Amino acid sequence: EDQVTQSPEALRLQEGESSSLNCSYTVSGLRGLFWYRQDPGKGPEFLFTLYSAGEEKEKERLKATLTKKESFLHITAPKPEDSATYLCAVQARHSGYALNFGKGTSLLVTP
Amino acid sequence: DAGVTQSPTHLIKTRGQQVTLRCSPKSGHDTVSWYQQALGQGPQFIFQYYEEEERQRGNFPDRFSGHQFPNYSSELNVNALLLGDSALYLCASSLGTTTYNEQFFGPGTRLTVL
Repeated sequence: EDQVTQSPEALRLQEGESSSLNCSYTVSGLRGLFWYRQDPGKGPEFLFTLYSAGEEKEKERLKATLTKKESFLHITAPKPEDSATYLCAVQARHSGYALNFGKGTSLLVTP
Repeated sequence: DAGVTQSPTHLIKTRGQQVTLRCSPKSGHDTVSWYQQALGQGPQFIFQYYEEEERQRGNFPDRFSGHQFPNYSSELNVNALLLGDSALYLCASSLGTTTYNEQFFGPGTRLTVL
């Protein structure tokens, strides 16, 4: 059975303190790995798609990387507005179009 | 560029009632997926509609049903509501003809069952 595990569950950073969020996955036949940001009470906002090991994508202070077993979301010099829950999801060839989500990492950045 | 829209924003129902939630996809998208997100959990896939047909279904009972209209908008219906159906219901739109279909989410409908 496909599994997606995100760690840590919660992370508190000071403004400017860089860190990484982890998404470990067990999937046979990965089609894609997706990162989303979700603010409280809102729908997830698409950030990145990664398709193959070694791939990296960047957007402002965020950089996503992918290996055969896990993905990292690196946050460089975060600001308070980066506070949100970050969700990782995988799409497997055998599961068609469904996204299988982890439980997310809740990030709080304090001034 | 209009994003994914959902209505209503919030809804309160009692056990045993039926509910209909609505979704309009992002401009240019033809595929709609529905997800259920319980508090503190990641979204769970309910089903996906493409070309007015249910193309794929997740592990949800048949109390959950849907429909897609010719303009690509979609409805999610839930019958015989249970307390456990209380959740944020998310609609996501994508392009059905691509191999890697990135899904863009709407703001969700918060359903409370009393």
